[in-house]
Amino acid sequence: AQSVTQPDIHITVSEGASLELRCNYSYGATPYLFWYVQSPGQGLQLLLKYFSGDTLVQGIKGFEAEFKRSQSSFNLRKPSVHWSDAAEYFCAVLQGGSEKLVFGKGTKLTVNP
Amino acid sequence: GAGVSQSPSNKVTEKGKDVELRCDPISGHTALYWYRQSLGQGLEFLIYFQGNSAPDKSGLPSDRFSAERTGGSVSTLTIQRTQQEDSAVYLCASSLVTVLRGYTFGSGTRLTVV
Repeated sequence: AQSVTQPDIHITVSEGASLELRCNYSYGATPYLFWYVQSPGQGLQLLLKYFSGDTLVQGIKGFEAEFKRSQSSFNLRKPSVHWSDAAEYFCAVLQGGSEKLVFGKGTKLTVNP
Repeated sequence: GAGVSQSPSNKVTEKGKDVELRCDPISGHTALYWYRQSLGQGLEFLIYFQGNSAPDKSGLPSDRFSAERTGGSVSTLTIQRTQQEDSAVYLCASSLVTVLRGYTFGSGTRLTVV
């Protein structure tokens, strides 16, 4: 079965610093991959998704992610973090042949001023 | 509506009581999903509705959980004889036909069983 691992439970960065959140997936075929963000008390918002083609995907709010098949990774990046980016970030993979997303446990991002 | 609406936003119930959680998807979205978000378990798929097709109930954790979707729109998730381990945030999402277009999530219902 597909699975997603987000190795970092909590990351703290300073405002203006660069950010990389790690995501590793387990899936035999080409995966459909997603990154979502959840602000406190809110639902999840889609940042970006990858299905095929260009392995560097641009999303909303200045985020991007790179699909690396050789590493089974789909890391999320942002060149310069803003205080409003503080939230929890979830990576997800679509379970083959279904409409179910399998989510990682999430990475909580704290941004220091 | 403009977004996925869930009610109530918070629910506290006594162990053993039944609860109903409501989800009103985005108008025109044919697909509707329920997930549960709990500490230590992350986000778990519960059930998926697509139009008039039979729902995918494979994620429901026990027969105390059930859901229906009336008229292809509003959905209700019912938990009977609630247990403390049912305490979680229940998230509803909808999408236009398929998840490949990305879900739109509601803000969730926080259920606390005391």
